[in-house]
Amino acid sequence: AQKITQTQPGMFVQEKEAVTLDCTYDTSDPSYGLFWYKQPSSGEMIFLIYQGSYDQQNATEGRYSLNFQKARKSANLVISASQLGDSAMYFCAMREPNDYKLSFGAGTTVTVRA
Amino acid sequence: DAGVIQSPRHEVTEMGQEVTLRCKPISGHNSLFWYRQTMMRGLELLIYFNNNVPIDDSGMPEDRFSAKMPNASFSTLKIQPSEPRDSAVYFCASSFMTGETQPQHFGDGTRLSIL
Repeated sequence: AQKITQTQPGMFVQEKEAVTLDCTYDTSDPSYGLFWYKQPSSGEMIFLIYQGSYDQQNATEGRYSLNFQKARKSANLVISASQLGDSAMYFCAMREPNDYKLSFGAGTTVTVRA
Repeated sequence: DAGVIQSPRHEVTEMGQEVTLRCKPISGHNSLFWYRQTMMRGLELLIYFNNNVPIDDSGMPEDRFSAKMPNASFSTLKIQPSEPRDSAVYFCASSFMTGETQPQHFGDGTRLSIL
C-alpha cells in the first residue's frame, strides 16, 4: 500500500498568492515524522519543513507551514506569498520508527506565474 | 555549514564502463543513505550506512552495484559494468541520527546517463 499520497500532479499559482499542496499518509505507528522537500528544475532536493506526530502545533518555517490534521492523516504544505523561485516539484515524505528510509510521495509540480 | 557534497554532478558514459559516484556527508552525521530517482519508480533507497557500517543493502538492484563507506566523511557507490537502465539521478543523503524525527539532508545528486 502506498504510504504517502500526493493527489495533485501539478498546480499553478499566481505570484504573491498562497498555495496548498495536499499530502495524506498511511501508518499504524503512533510515532512518525513527516517531511517536505523541494526539488527545483536544477535537480537538488532541499529539506523544507518537519512535523512530528506528537507535535501539538503545526510546524512553520518562514513562508512554509504545515496544516497537520492527525485524525485525517494529512499533512498539507502551505506556501504563502508565492515567489517565482518557488516553482519546483514538492515531495511529501514520512519516516516511521524502525524504518530508516524516507517513504516519498509522487510529488506535486508547482508553477508560479508572474 | 557545508551540506552533503556529491561528485560528479553529471556523468555520461558508455555501457559496460565502471561508474563511481562519490559522497561527503555533513560533518557529524552518522547515517548515510544512497537513493536513486527515476521517472518510473520515483525515489528508492539503495543502501543505508550507520556509523560507516552497511545496515541494509536490500535496495541495491543487483551485484553490479556496490557501496562502501571507508570513513565517516566519505562514501562511494560503484556500478560495474554499467547498463543503460542504470540511467537515473543518484542522491546521497545524511542525517544526524536514525529516527523518525531526523530529516535527511540530500546532496545535489549525480545525473547519470549510460549510453
